[in-house]
Amino acid sequence: GAGVSQTPSNKVTEKGKYVELRCDPISGHTALYWYRQSLGQGPEFLIYFQGTGAADDSGLPNDRFFAVRPEGSVSTLKIQRTERGDSAVYLCASSLNGGGAATEAFFGQGTRLTVV
Amino acid sequence: AQSVTQLGSHVSVSEGALVLLRCNYSSSVPPYLFWYVQYPNQGLQLLLKYTTGATLVKGINGFEAEFKKSETSFHLTKPSAHMSDAAEYFCAVSDSGGYNKLIFGAGTRLAVHP
Repeated sequence: GAGVSQTPSNKVTEKGKYVELRCDPISGHTALYWYRQSLGQGPEFLIYFQGTGAADDSGLPNDRFFAVRPEGSVSTLKIQRTERGDSAVYLCASSLNGGGAATEAFFGQGTRLTVV
Repeated sequence: AQSVTQLGSHVSVSEGALVLLRCNYSSSVPPYLFWYVQYPNQGLQLLLKYTTGATLVKGINGFEAEFKKSETSFHLTKPSAHMSDAAEYFCAVSDSGGYNKLIFGAGTRLAVHP
């Protein structure tokens, strides 16, 4: 079946603009995660959804970042008043359930965000 | 707090040589440990994971890793490198709690030369 799909694959925006990044998880996966990967670093956890609710948003760097998952499938990561430091690859992952970390998380190819 | 240290941001080996990628972790609770591989323009792919039980874990593509609690290590090995193994490798740790919140290392880029 289809994997985790992220759109757009690339996004260039001007400093101060608002952006939305979309994630389509694997069908039936109730757990969804967002990570951010800056150049030369490993992915950093941003937020975890179980169903429609954000169960852990401790990784969101500040209140400019927000994510939703209104119907428990597709998720949107929203960034307001973008800054150059927000430039990174934003990764989405999904898994069958919260299920403990033993449940494999499947990653999308990411959205490369560049703020100019 | 959990953390992961990957020793060596770049590793270069000859085709057919042993691959050894080092990972040390810090965790106050029994950890779950993972190795992911990232090929160019592709998403992260799980190579192998340790949760409980046998400390030597075998994964895809001939890779394996051994959990050594006394050394807080989870090094990744492969007896014979192939050109197709060239990629970036990430070690990650999670607590054994209810969901898959991964703490990643900075990654090691593996180059394989003829």
